[in-house]
Amino acid sequence: SYVLTQPPSVSVAPGKTARITCGGNNIGSKSVHWYQQMPGQAPVVAIYYDRDRPSGIPERFSGSNSGNTATLTISRVEAGDEADYYCQVWDSSSDHVVFGGGTKLTVL
Amino acid sequence: EVQLVESGGGVVRPGGSLRLSCTASGFIFDDYGMNWVRQAPGRGLEWVSGITWDGSSTGYADSVKGRFTISRDNAKNSLYLQMNSLRAEDTAFYHCARALTWPQGWFDPWGQGTLVTVSS
Repeated sequence: SYVLTQPPSVSVAPGKTARITCGGNNIGSKSVHWYQQMPGQAPVVAIYYDRDRPSGIPERFSGSNSGNTATLTISRVEAGDEADYYCQVWDSSSDHVVFGGGTKLTVL
Repeated sequence: EVQLVESGGGVVRPGGSLRLSCTASGFIFDDYGMNWVRQAPGRGLEWVSGITWDGSSTGYADSVKGRFTISRDNAKNSLYLQMNSLRAEDTAFYHCARALTWPQGWFDPWGQGTLVTVSS
């Protein structure tokens, strides 16, 4: 089955740029969606179809996808960005929706 | 306001059954695919099952295939998950989530979830 690999944690100072990666075999050929989950709350979509941003998500959030890695980039990080982030794809070969293991973003 | 509200969770013994419901409001329910995603306490997200807008196609994670059944009633704006032969490892919060296109699309929004605890 298809596996998505995320770093368990990423730490960044306020005002700097955080990059959260999502690795998968030829993930660049798939559409990647990213979710933000605050403690005790349901996940919220942050980026869909690799790089599209829903209304309500700050322009500081962006996405890219190429080769074997998709990346969620958060510019000018704020304390309020501290959350768990998950990537998600649909694997057509197994007909399964797959989530990455999640990355905890800590703002120092 | 688009809203999804899950219900039906609770404590059940191993081998038991439970039926979860998800009631939708604020949008045209049969325009969307729907999904169930679970999250064990302190763990990550795990897709459980999904269904197309008309119920003609469904999908299941390997961990629940043959034990869980997803269904929907568009007249009642409701999504269901029948869970049989429950195991301790099924203990989790179960969220329903909407998808404009299933299975390729993103999930938005998500319900707050209902807790299922499988324990003797």
